[in-house]
Amino acid sequence: KNEVEQSPQNLTAQEGEFITINCSYSVGISALHWLQQHPGGGIVSLFMLSSGKKKHGRLIATINIQEKHSSLHITASHPRDSAVYICAAGNQFYFGTGTSLTVIP
Amino acid sequence: KAGVTQTPRYLIKTRGQQVTLSCSPISGHRSVSWYQQTPGQGLQFLFEYFSETQRNKGNFPGRFSGRQFSNSRSEMNVSTLELGDSALYLCASSLVGGGRGKMGRTEAFFGQGTRLTVV
Repeated sequence: KNEVEQSPQNLTAQEGEFITINCSYSVGISALHWLQQHPGGGIVSLFMLSSGKKKHGRLIATINIQEKHSSLHITASHPRDSAVYICAAGNQFYFGTGTSLTVIP
Repeated sequence: KAGVTQTPRYLIKTRGQQVTLSCSPISGHRSVSWYQQTPGQGLQFLFEYFSETQRNKGNFPGRFSGRQFSNSRSEMNVSTLELGDSALYLCASSLVGGGRGKMGRTEAFFGQGTRLTVV
């Protein structure tokens, strides 16, 4: 069993749609991270959260510590949001397998 | 301020050779972590260095090693390369990083990675 499970693995959306990516983890954490990886490899840290909810522009991340579950939401999706989104949890950064998002104009 | 710099960006090596990759963290960051990313295994933690000491280590063979210098720059070395070592190697720097249960509480900044191909 993986320490971090992400769903869905692949997601295709029309521009403007509301998107949700889910992450469940089994390890103890001090914080959970959402990462974005564009083609070419570079990774950007989107959120680090240990409770509640955070919002950056059209991106919202929530976490429920008791249920060991986090979600990443993208409102009004745009083609430039097309990337792989990865959640990372645990003291040594256990990673989810990533969600490949494609937003079609 | 400058981001995390990894060199080289691309590398082709022959099986059996060794390779050294470099990571320069953001100025002031003392923690550097290394990760391997492959299509089959995804992202996996290799090790973390803090103030020149290895603080955490992932589940990789001893062929994978690293070090950190007094200026926080870090290198990782892979000896006796195997075809399966072909991967994107990423480093991340953070102010405090992990160890003693604190890892994950500070934001990590990733480099662009070094894509290693072993032929």
